[in-house]
Amino acid sequence: GENVEQHPSTLSVQEGDSAVIKCTYSDSASNYFPWYKQELGKGPQLIIDIRSNVGEKKDQRIAVTLNKTAKHFSLHITETQPEDSAVYFCAASILGATDSWGKLQFGAGTQVVVTP
Amino acid sequence: DTEVTQTPKHLVMGMTNKKSLKCEQHMGHRAMYWYKQKAKKPPELMFVYSYEKLSINESVPSRFSPECPNSSLLNLHLHALQPEDSALYLCASSQDGSGYEQYFGPGTRLTVT
Repeated sequence: GENVEQHPSTLSVQEGDSAVIKCTYSDSASNYFPWYKQELGKGPQLIIDIRSNVGEKKDQRIAVTLNKTAKHFSLHITETQPEDSAVYFCAASILGATDSWGKLQFGAGTQVVVTP
Repeated sequence: DTEVTQTPKHLVMGMTNKKSLKCEQHMGHRAMYWYKQKAKKPPELMFVYSYEKLSINESVPSRFSPECPNSSLLNLHLHALQPEDSALYLCASSQDGSGYEQYFGPGTRLTVT
């Protein structure tokens, strides 16, 4: 089955700096890669996602890049703010696979701390 | 609107109790999911309902019983739980069973005593 590795496990950044979280996946059939942000006491929030037919996607201060050949994808947060502090999870999935309906394989998570 | 609601927010139950968790969405989504999340771990998939039919059961013990009364509601019936079942139980929904754009609720924090 799919295995997703996520690094680093913790990331401390100064406010205004950039943060990068990297994930690798094992199943070359995976074609959908969402990122979730989970604040303390809340459910995961979908913040950005990318499909395998796209190499990069941006939404304001966040961006995701995908390298299908190397089987890795990354989350980039620019101009970090204290409210970006949270646990971030990457995930991989095979859209349309009838034997794994909607199953997301999550990475272990990255605790991001933004210090003012 | 991408809101999934879950009740209750917190639940404490004994090992002999029977309780139910409830989840609701009004986005017209046709797939709904139950996840279990332990502290400092990612969510683990338990069940997937697609078009009100159980599509995936990730070998979950029978003391957890899911139910999908209609396309907007999802229940998780709990019976004879163990202390190790204490966790955050998350509900999610997506447009269809493909898994694209799953939206999570806030979760129910369950403690089994």
